Amino acid sequence: DSGVTQTPKHLITATGQRVTLRCSPRSGDLSVYWYQQSLDQGLQFLIQYYNGEERAKGNILERFSAQQFPDLHSELNLSSLELGDSALYFCASSVVDNYGYTFGSGTRLTVV
Amino acid sequence: AQSVAQPEDQVNVAEGNPLTVKCTYSVSGNPYLFWYVQYPNRGLQFLLKYITGDNLVKGSYGFEAEFNKSQTSFHLKKPSALVSDSALYFCAVRDREAALIFGKGTTLSVSS
Repeated sequence: DSGVTQTPKHLITATGQRVTLRCSPRSGDLSVYWYQQSLDQGLQFLIQYYNGEERAKGNILERFSAQQFPDLHSELNLSSLELGDSALYFCASSVVDNYGYTFGSGTRLTVV
Repeated sequence: AQSVAQPEDQVNVAEGNPLTVKCTYSVSGNPYLFWYVQYPNRGLQFLLKYITGDNLVKGSYGFEAEFNKSQTSFHLKKPSALVSDSALYFCAVRDREAALIFGKGTTLSVSS
């Protein structure tokens, strides 16, 4: 157990639907990062939050959004889902500036 | 923008032989470099990192990496490969906002 918890582990949904992925960071970590892993795009950085505030954006689609709550857990919202959104979504957490990143085991999203 | 490149999609090596997985980087400023490993249907596991100091970094499971500033490389090495080392390996660089930017990954296959 890495200390970063992601739920659900698997999710199957239809095109056009909206889903929410959840991440609880390791205790004490203020930063949360979301990544998408797909066969054709590899591991893509989506978005980063630090202590509730958005800190950096990567290759995140406008249909996707995220937030980090006061208890530091984060949610990634994916809407108007397309077949191409099928991927493994990872969350990672860190204490900024100590260069340690811990990854969760991921949520596998299948859009049918 | 910070980036890393992994020039080999796959590396094949016989058990007991030394292995090298290549990574080159492009950064402005000091590079903060990482190696992660991913086993099938699992999350990313940290192997080692270079922040500063000795160019030879030792990590988990007998892996090490050599930072070469002149060649902008950070190759992952192991003196004697095991079948259980077969996995997907990612090189990553920390960008200015502290997110990790990953290479496309290299599949390591160790044959018995």
